[in-house]
Amino acid sequence: ETGVTQTPRHLVMGMTNKKSLKCEQHLGHNAMYWYKQSAKKPLELMFVYSLEERVENNSVPSRFSPECPNSSHLFLHLHTLQPEDSALYLCASSQDLAGGLLSYEQYFGPGTRLTVT
Amino acid sequence: TQLLEQSPQFLSIQEGENLTVYCNSSSVFSSLQWYRQEPGEGPVLLVTVVTGGEVKKLKRLTFQFGDARKDSSLHITAAQPGDTGLYLCAGEGERNSGAGSYQLTFGKGTKLSVIP
Repeated sequence: ETGVTQTPRHLVMGMTNKKSLKCEQHLGHNAMYWYKQSAKKPLELMFVYSLEERVENNSVPSRFSPECPNSSHLFLHLHTLQPEDSALYLCASSQDLAGGLLSYEQYFGPGTRLTVT
Repeated sequence: TQLLEQSPQFLSIQEGENLTVYCNSSSVFSSLQWYRQEPGEGPVLLVTVVTGGEVKKLKRLTFQFGDARKDSSLHITAAQPGDTGLYLCAGEGERNSGAGSYQLTFGKGTKLSVIP
């Protein structure tokens, strides 16, 4: 039990579909992250939220749209995806964002395995 | 751009053997984290090393941070099948490197298989 849950665990969608990934953290953390994990590539940071405000968008295509309604929940809305978007999408949280002299460890959820057909 | 190179990419050993995996960079990191990821799951944090030269032990796992904080190693003694998984290292940028020091740089990982 990591304290970070993700649903669904598996998702198959066509290129014209719209779907959403959900992440919930039960750790009382203030920062949440979306990562993409593709085969043979390092984890790629997509979005970062701190206290429900987006602080980072790492040049992610607009077909990915994040939403953070409160500090416990994070969504990733998907529309008109491409087959190359197939990957494991991981959510993580940390107590706060690292900065100054402080560093905070990130805790990951189990991921959503997304297949775009 | 900071890069972390992990080696070897793949490692298959017999139960009871010892092994070391490496995480190297030309960049300095303020801290480095090691994760283990099992198939179909997210990475699970094993340890964070912060000080150059630091050594941390977690049962049969020994983690070392290089003196210059550019590299790290993970040594497993008497490997067991339960150690099987993808081992990822992730570095946190220097605190004075500008925006985004919270952005972890991940390596591609070492995939370890321990055969009973």
